[in-house]
Amino acid sequence: ETGVTQSPTHLIKTRGQQVTLRCSSQSGHNTVSWYQQALGQGPQFIFQYYREEENGRGNFPPRFSGLQFPNYSSELNVNALELDDSALYLCASSPRPAGGAQWKTQYFGPGTRLLVL
Amino acid sequence: AQTVTQSQPEMSVQEAETVTLSCTYDTSENNYYLFWYKQPPSRQMILVIRQEAYKQQNATENRFSVNFQKAAKSFSLKISDSQLGDTAMYFCAFMKPLTSGGATNKLIFGTGTLLAVQP
Repeated sequence: ETGVTQSPTHLIKTRGQQVTLRCSSQSGHNTVSWYQQALGQGPQFIFQYYREEENGRGNFPPRFSGLQFPNYSSELNVNALELDDSALYLCASSPRPAGGAQWKTQYFGPGTRLLVL
Repeated sequence: AQTVTQSQPEMSVQEAETVTLSCTYDTSENNYYLFWYKQPPSRQMILVIRQEAYKQQNATENRFSVNFQKAAKSFSLKISDSQLGDTAMYFCAFMKPLTSGGATNKLIFGTGTLLAVQP
């Protein structure tokens, strides 16, 4: 069973540029969540995708957007990069709760370290 | 809104000793889920243990156990027989049930406790 993978591992961009980060979910997982982890902080929820649609969003501006593909992989896009966007971006996949279940464990990828200069 | 507080930024323990990491949270929900995740220097966040709020029995996973005090909104992690490989950042996290508004199983994390296991 393949775990959650993310690419690239590291990325350096300059202010104002755009970036795309990629995530492949664990086999059988149809839900993908994205988190931003600033240095020395806990991860903050950006948004979640289920069945190719955004299914909940945290307190992030619209320049943070995403996609989910039919194979459940996902992209995080950030436009007009700012210095404060420098962080570790984590992707987590989970199966959708079913049969009355109210939650499923999220499994995290290794993250993409983004540095904005 | 839910919040998670970890008041110990750093802790240190000798190998083979026991250490307890603290976590408190604030919520008006009656049913929810609590997690401890471990993030080693390699960055990959790994689930350590989970607790469902409606279960009174404290969860245990090998050397890891929790002390869940629902009334006090406290969820501490005890690591027994500490090993060098336990050195990592530990995050406490909260999750609401899927049907509890928002339809999103998002995790709300604390700021973490950096645990160093000394040889």
